[in-house]
Amino acid sequence: SAVISQKPSRDICQRGTSLTIQCQVDSQVTMMFWYRQQPGQSLTLIATANQGSEATYESGFVIDKFPISRPNLTFSTLTVSNMSPEDSSIYLCSVDEGAGTEAFFGQGTRLTVV
Amino acid sequence: QKEVEQNSGPLSVPEGAIASLNCTYSDRGSQSFFWYRQYSGKSPELIMSIYSNGDKEDGRFTAQLNKASQYVSLLIRDSQPSDSATYLCAVNIGRTGRRALTFGSGTRLQVQP
Repeated sequence: SAVISQKPSRDICQRGTSLTIQCQVDSQVTMMFWYRQQPGQSLTLIATANQGSEATYESGFVIDKFPISRPNLTFSTLTVSNMSPEDSSIYLCSVDEGAGTEAFFGQGTRLTVV
Repeated sequence: QKEVEQNSGPLSVPEGAIASLNCTYSDRGSQSFFWYRQYSGKSPELIMSIYSNGDKEDGRFTAQLNKASQYVSLLIRDSQPSDSATYLCAVNIGRTGRRALTFGSGTRLQVQP
């Protein structure tokens, strides 16, 4: 399975600021996904990061708030913009290597907004 | 109706017993089904995948899929205290072109020593 490195692992940020989270994979993967896990909740998909085109966002998530980059097949970033305490969550990068294959997760970024 | 439903628990079983975790899903077109284990403060760890009807065994874990009933389960035999975690059912909802997973809310399992 792909090895996924995500950083930072945690951060405490001031409201109104932005944080960029990086996801690096040790092999080329077709699909990269960004999820959010709010305290005590399950995982919610934010967007699918597409290589060479704009990310595809789920209902309730917009590009201005969560801009995503995918410059190549091994790397993606998620920015959480103009943060508020409601953005305090774990943000997770996930990859799969093809249709019908298993999906694996990075170690996550625990974000606290104060 | 939620797309993927799980009982939130906690499910409490004694050490050595069989833990049975259940999950139902709404989309009949779903093709891929996964069980993840998540320890507190950690990211989800894949423990089982299943794609066709029937049982799939891997060590102490057995996944069961019944597409007609839209039901997938996970059995953990000889439960250990280290199995205490939240178990997430994830489904590749059968929307055209979509590969991301939809997760249930998770079942918290407690294995009592």
